[in-house]
Amino acid sequence: KQEVTQIPAALSVPEGENLVLNCSFTDSAIYNLQWFRQDPGKGLTSLLLIQSSQREQTSGRLNASLDKSSGRSTLYIAASQPGDSATYLCAVRWVLTGGGNKLTFGTGTQLKVEL
Amino acid sequence: NAGVTQTPKFRVLKTGQSMTLLCAQDMNHEYMYWYRQDPGMGLRLIHYSVGEGTTAKGEVPDGYNVSRLKKQNFLLGLESAAPSQTSVYFCASTYAGADTQYFGPGTRLTVL
Repeated sequence: KQEVTQIPAALSVPEGENLVLNCSFTDSAIYNLQWFRQDPGKGLTSLLLIQSSQREQTSGRLNASLDKSSGRSTLYIAASQPGDSATYLCAVRWVLTGGGNKLTFGTGTQLKVEL
Repeated sequence: NAGVTQTPKFRVLKTGQSMTLLCAQDMNHEYMYWYRQDPGMGLRLIHYSVGEGTTAKGEVPDGYNVSRLKKQNFLLGLESAAPSQTSVYFCASTYAGADTQYFGPGTRLTVL
């Protein structure tokens, strides 16, 4: 069964700290992996997408890595800010037999950056 | 360009009532998806559609029906609502073969 796990479930850090969020998945034959941000009561916003052939992607203070062989991805946030407080979701894409693709989501890491 | 919109934003139903959630996208996307999000469970795929007039089951399709009569709309129906269907429902859409799904803002449904 294709499953995605995120640890920790919640994280609280002081402003300015660098931090790492973890994601693991059970089936290494992925199409790609995506990190999303979700603010309370809102939808999902895509942060970074890593293709199966790539090892990492960077956007500003965010860096996502992918190690397919070990079934792991990390999201690194540098110099965290209170505005980074949100839930971060990892989603792995596998291709569906009937066409289209399916995102399997982890349960998320709720991040709080304190002043 | 409104992106992906969902109607309604909130709804409270009694057990056994029926309702339809509407998802609309103005990006001419071929693929559309319905997910539900529950605490501790992540988002789970209910049904999806790869084109007008076609639908397929996802992970948790029981108790739901869908229709894609127009390319821009994807409807999710609950024929007889149950408390277990209390959840936040998200719609998403994407181009065929594209990598990123675009999500709507969600519908919060409570079944009493």
